[in-house]
Amino acid sequence: GAVVSQHPSWVICKSGTSVKIECRSLDFQATTMFWYRQFPKQSLMLMATSNEGSKATYEQGVEKDKFLINHASLTLSTLTVTSAHPEDSSFYICSAPLGRPRETQYFGPGTRLLVL
Amino acid sequence: AQSVAQPEDQVNVAEGNPLTVKCTYSVSGNPYLFWYVQYPNRGLQFLLKYITGDNLVKGSYGFEAEFNKSQTSFHLKKPSALVSDSALYFCAVRDGGDYKLSFGAGTTVTVRA
Repeated sequence: GAVVSQHPSWVICKSGTSVKIECRSLDFQATTMFWYRQFPKQSLMLMATSNEGSKATYEQGVEKDKFLINHASLTLSTLTVTSAHPEDSSFYICSAPLGRPRETQYFGPGTRLLVL
Repeated sequence: AQSVAQPEDQVNVAEGNPLTVKCTYSVSGNPYLFWYVQYPNRGLQFLLKYITGDNLVKGSYGFEAEFNKSQTSFHLKKPSALVSDSALYFCAVRDGGDYKLSFGAGTTVTVRA
């Protein structure tokens, strides 16, 4: 199946710093990618849709100035958690759709963020 | 609006026994249905999907699922469970005209040796 990578897999940072997470589609192009957040033993919550060449669309209640998304190329989307605080600690997962018509989402391995 | 319900938080079965993980959905248009599996501290792995065609869908690792339109269900099944099937399983749905997925709460499957 399609491969989506994320980097880093783990990050620990101090409160107030910014953290950038990369999501790459390794063997296909993705004009759209999705960013999710997952709390322990809970389901995935869609944060935003990343669109290549245009602004991301955020779900209700997600602060766009807090979670900056840039879809710089057809294979790369980045999520930057700005001025991170302990409540931002979570598991962040990206996905990219593939197939006809891009019906199946393939997920990255996730990034565990811990803000101290 | 679209939503998914996974009525069981946990399913426990003995190795070699059949495994069923339940899922019901609600969607306004044509449902695209998916099953994913997640191992600890990992992303989601795609198992199978129903878009159109045969109601019985076969997927990875011996899993299958049956689409039942009248009951709005898409239960995941495996005839003979393995210990390595122990994981968190998510059912997801999207409206055919929208890329956004809605996930169920997840079902933790434990297969005991």
